[in-house]
Amino acid sequence: EDKVVQSPLSLVVHEGDTVTLNCSYEVTNFRSLLWYKQEKKAPTFLFMLTSSGIEKKSGRLSSILDKKELFSILNITATQTGDSAVYLCAELYGGATNKLIFGTGTLLAVQP
Amino acid sequence: DTEVTQTPKHLVMGMTNKKSLKCEQHMGHRAMYWYKQKAKKPPELMFVYSYEKLSINESVPSRFSPECPNSSLLNLHLHALQPEDSALYLCASSQDPDAHGHKETQYFGPGTRLLVL
Repeated sequence: EDKVVQSPLSLVVHEGDTVTLNCSYEVTNFRSLLWYKQEKKAPTFLFMLTSSGIEKKSGRLSSILDKKELFSILNITATQTGDSAVYLCAELYGGATNKLIFGTGTLLAVQP
Repeated sequence: DTEVTQTPKHLVMGMTNKKSLKCEQHMGHRAMYWYKQKAKKPPELMFVYSYEKLSINESVPSRFSPECPNSSLLNLHLHALQPEDSALYLCASSQDPDAHGHKETQYFGPGTRLLVL
């Protein structure tokens, strides 16, 4: 089964900073890469990336996939305290039935 | 609307109890999932239902028994659990288990926080 690795494990920044979160994956049965934000409870969907080099953007968040180097980054600009959360990267692994393989997550703390 | 609902929000049970977790979605999704998440760990897949049939069981102990009565509902029956089973149990759904692209996106419910005493 493929493995997903995220870095850094945790990060503390100040409001207004820009952060870059990293995710690397293996490729045996890669279908797509997903980013989720998890605060207290359910992971909430941010992006799904399937094609290399195409940036997905939503407000201050953006993400891109590099299928040659097998990684993705999630950028957050002008961070706010509400961005504090665990950011989970997950590979959609294709088999007889698709399933998500999650990385360990990056804990982001944005200080005022 | 990408809402998945789960009940109860919290559950405390003894090791001899039988209880059930419930998950519901009305988005017409045909794949539903159970995940277990321990503190400070990512979600781990337990079961996948595809078109109301169990398609993946990730070697989960038999004290966890999933059930999919219809395309909108997913239950997880619990019996004789152990304290180490205490965790956040997340349900998710996706539009089409056989599709590619955005239809594979999984949407999560708020979870049931389970404590086994």
